[in-house]
Amino acid sequence: DQQVKQNSPSLSVQEGRISILNCDYTNSMFDYFLWYKKYPAEGPTFLISISSIKDKNEDGRFTVFLNKSAKHLSLHIVPSQPGDSAVYFCAVTERAGGTSYGKLTFGQGTILTVHP
Amino acid sequence: KAGVTQTPRYLIKTRGQQVTLSCSPISGHRSVSWYQQTPGQGLQFLFEYFSETQRNKGNFPGRFSGRQFSNSRSEMNVSTLELGDSALYLCASSLAGGPTNEKLFFGSGTQLSVL
Repeated sequence: DQQVKQNSPSLSVQEGRISILNCDYTNSMFDYFLWYKKYPAEGPTFLISISSIKDKNEDGRFTVFLNKSAKHLSLHIVPSQPGDSAVYFCAVTERAGGTSYGKLTFGQGTILTVHP
Repeated sequence: KAGVTQTPRYLIKTRGQQVTLSCSPISGHRSVSWYQQTPGQGLQFLFEYFSETQRNKGNFPGRFSGRQFSNSRSEMNVSTLELGDSALYLCASSLAGGPTNEKLFFGSGTQLSVL
């Protein structure tokens, strides 16, 4: 039973355009959401996060949007660059329950390819 | 500041053997978590240690175990290896790993192949 789903296994975008990566979750108890980027043979690298009290968080070219009622979050990258080509994972956790020590639940990942 | 260091990077073992993987967290980080990444199951949480105590555990059999030392370094052990244990094992550290410290910093992982 997948609690976090990234329904698009891959996404191809032209350099300079917007990349939109999507993530859906099922458990309304999740209250903190993160995006990680991963290159082959490396560990995931933290990109941006958002708590459930917000609906948007920006950091440079990266913006994360949270729609709690739809249990949906998205990552926007504007403008996209070839160096952004990687696997992107969304991850969620439940802070309030006190059982989240070190535990993130990850989606299956979306392979983003940005063409020059 | 040095990142999370995992050793070895690659390991080849045969079925039935046991293996120990090592992780040194970022200096000052006291929480260490372990994850398994496979093509079929994705990234899955194994367990978390803080101050030498396991505080959280995922849904893995007892063949998977770990420990943490007083300097926050951690090891994980897999006994009686099975073919399905072939995976990338990732270690992550955070300041305290508690409800307000979810930002995990990952190492590059140990790629384990079981033949």
